[in-house]
Amino acid sequence: EVQLLDSGGGLVQPGESLRLSCAASGFTFSNYAMCWVRQAPGKGLEWVSAISYSGASTYYADSVKGRFTISRDNSKNTLYLQMNSLRAEDTAVYYCAKDGTYRSSWPNYFDYWAQGTLVTVSS
Amino acid sequence: QSVLTQPPSVSGAPGQRVTISCTGSSSNIGANYDVHWYQQLPGTAPKLLIYGNNNRPSGVPDRYSGSKSGTSASLAITGLQAEDEADYYCQSYDSSLSGVVFGGGTKLTVL
Repeated sequence: EVQLLDSGGGLVQPGESLRLSCAASGFTFSNYAMCWVRQAPGKGLEWVSAISYSGASTYYADSVKGRFTISRDNSKNTLYLQMNSLRAEDTAVYYCAKDGTYRSSWPNYFDYWAQGTLVTVSS
Repeated sequence: QSVLTQPPSVSGAPGQRVTISCTGSSSNIGANYDVHWYQQLPGTAPKLLIYGNNNRPSGVPDRYSGSKSGTSASLAITGLQAEDEADYYCQSYDSSLSGVVFGGGTKLTVL
């Protein structure tokens, strides 16, 4: 059974940093691209970042480019999102999600999602 | 303002058929990128409903179907049930943005 367990959310002040993690199991992690999607309170889904199955290629939404870094450790079946210079508008539930295409180098569609971790940026 | 445009809300009575539209442009849906649909029940993570324009993952009832034409796509739900009440999102890829794009979401109310 595919399972994604994201963690690392919390309350931080503007300008601070936070690292999210997503532990994967139930599939061969190293064969699938992964991504982060966020949802601000009461708002819709916003794609944040994606990483290819090998980790060689990364993609970012303009809203986080230069501040967030996505990475993965295929030996630990874990996805990460390093978030720096956080702003109030980054407040959201962050979901990690698995791409549905085998060995895709770019994000396609997302067939499994974690339960989400809440990031609150406030002074 | 989302790159993909969806109606904010739709509604229908039990047993009826409803459709949700998703309008894009020449840099996403019109550029022949696939459209995918997700269902999000209140307080839960999104769930993949349709992938590759018109394919259902295992376990998704055939009451749900997708279509795509030109720069638009649609999700159809037949035999509406109370459990279908949720938010629905379309998703594609945009070549101008070099990234994934979502629609703004549509809230389905079952009357």
